[in-house]
Amino acid sequence: DSGVTQTPKHLITATGQRVTLRCSPRSGDLSVYWYQQSLDQGLQFLIQYYNGEERAKGNILERFSAQQFPDLHSELNLSSLELGDSALYFCASSRVWSHNSPLHFGNGTRLTVT
Amino acid sequence: AQRVTQPEKLLSVFKGAPVELKCNYSYSGSPELFWYVQYSRQRLQLLLRHISRESIKGFTADLNKGETSFHLKKPFAQEEDSAMYYCALSPETSGSRLTFGEGTQLTVNP
Repeated sequence: DSGVTQTPKHLITATGQRVTLRCSPRSGDLSVYWYQQSLDQGLQFLIQYYNGEERAKGNILERFSAQQFPDLHSELNLSSLELGDSALYFCASSRVWSHNSPLHFGNGTRLTVT
Repeated sequence: AQRVTQPEKLLSVFKGAPVELKCNYSYSGSPELFWYVQYSRQRLQLLLRHISRESIKGFTADLNKGETSFHLKKPFAQEEDSAMYYCALSPETSGSRLTFGEGTQLTVNP
């Protein structure tokens, strides 16, 4: 168990809908990262937060948004869903802002858009 | 921009045979390199990282700055090593944000 909690585990929804994925980092970790893992694109970095502030954006669509709350949990909002958004969405956390600090991943949320 | 390349998508070996998973990177600075393992599309688990220079589950990896490689090796593969392996790079300016390679699916046959 990495200590990173993601809910829900599975999500099935229709095209055009909106969903919210939730992540609680390990106790004491200040940084949260979101990654998308699809079969054809591998692991793609979406967005990164540190202590409530956005620090970096990767390949995140405009239909997607995220935030980190004062209690350090994070939510990833996906709207106007398309079939191609079906993927595993991983949250990860790290202790400090350092490239030496490893990421600890949650179990992921498996999103299926029908 | 940094890039991580894992040239083999699939690798199959027999139990007890040596295994090497290749990883090459392109980045001009001083990155930190990691190997993560993923069993059956579950969560990614940290296997090892360059800075700690430790051996986990019999795996080792050596950073070769001249060849910009960070190959993962194990002298005697076990069936339970079958999994997806990802090499990842963290630039010194990115906090802990990782750039992943495309992964290598290792299958260890009995």
